[in-house]
Formats: sequence, C-alpha cells, structure tokens
Amino acid sequence: DAGVIQSPRHEVTEMGQEVTLRCKPISGHDYLFWYRQTMMRGLELLIYFNNNVPIDDSGMPEDRFSAKMPNASFSTLKIQPSEPRDSAVYFCASRVLGGNNEQFFGPGTRLTVL
Amino acid sequence: GEDVEQSLFLSVREGDSSVINCTYTDSSSTYLYWYKQEPGAGLQLLTYIFSNMDMKQDQRLTVLLNKKDKHLSLRIADTQTGDSAIYFCAEIASNTGKLIFGQGTTLQVKP
Repeated sequence: DAGVIQSPRHEVTEMGQEVTLRCKPISGHDYLFWYRQTMMRGLELLIYFNNNVPIDDSGMPEDRFSAKMPNASFSTLKIQPSEPRDSAVYFCASRVLGGNNEQFFGPGTRLTVL
Repeated sequence: GEDVEQSLFLSVREGDSSVINCTYTDSSSTYLYWYKQEPGAGLQLLTYIFSNMDMKQDQRLTVLLNKKDKHLSLRIADTQTGDSAIYFCAEIASNTGKLIFGQGTTLQVKP
C-alpha cells in the first residue's frame, strides 16, 4: 500500500481565498483524523471520522473550517476564507480499529496564507 | 482532562545514549506510544508499550513505563545522527479513544 496520501504537499495562498486539502487514507482503515501542527500549539487534533461519519469535531477552530468524507477513500479539509493564522502543516492520519491502534500519518500539507 | 508533557529539547553526542522522558495523566490508557517525526515528514510510529508492561526492548530502543508515577521514557542506545528528529509521546484517552500527543522533544545528535 502507498500509505496515506495527501495533496497538495505545499499550498501558498492569499488571505481570503478558499483552501482545500485532500487525503486518501490507507485502504481498509475505518478511522480518519485531521491534525494541525504549528510551532506555537504543537500537534492539534481537528476532527476525526469513523466509517465516513464525523465523530468529534471539537478541535475545529471555527466555522471557517469544514471537513467531509464522502466515501471511505477520500476526505477533504476546507478553509474558507483563509487567514494568515491558519498557516501550519496539516496532517491526515488513518487507522484500523484493534491491535495497537497505530495511526498512520500522511506526509502533510504545508499551508502558507499570505 | 488528558495531558502529556515532554521536555522540548535534548542534545547528545553520537554514540551516547539518549533518554527522552514523558509524563501523562490518563491512568486508564491501554497503550502508550513513541512517534518519530523527521524533517518535512509526517509522524511515524517508533514503538509502543501495552499498559500492563513495565519495559519493552526493540533493538536500540528501550521503553520504560512507570504506571505509579505515570512516567514513560524512551532510551536510544548508541545514538546516531540519523536519530535526529522530533519524538512525540502519546497516550490513548480511555474515554474517547483519541491519541493525546505531547509537545514533542527535538533530539539533536552531534557528531
């Protein structure tokens, strides 16, 4: 398997623009997580899905952020409108229930909002 | 709520042992983890320990778990320059199943 795939790897946009980050989890995994990493706040869980259903979105910073998982192999995280403080690395991770509950992380999307 | 604390930085010389420490709060965590993040990459599971174990050894890695003090440590023997990375301690929150990460410890290995 190719692992968790994220696109784009880098995104530079201007304040006010809409940004869409994409994630393809590992096939067969039934949990999907979106994280944000910054120097100031470290690694934050934004939202996670189980079997394509959002379970906990308490980490989503505000209404400008939204996430969807239309099917088991694809998820998006959208920011509209984007602000400079949204600049961060956004990670997607997936896991399958059971075993040691290991989460497999994608390579991340580095977002810069000017 | 759940919380995981780590020191932020550790510097060692190549060939020395590195010890990274972590404290956690959820005594019901079933697993505790060490993840490694290399520059420009995502996190990768390095090792983990089940909560009923005190120690786990895997080649150069030794994990020690003190449940009474809620203290977890990662020892890397014969540290190499390739071990330079950020190391994250994490616990599973027993009530939600979410992973709670520490702030990460940056390990710098000097030649």
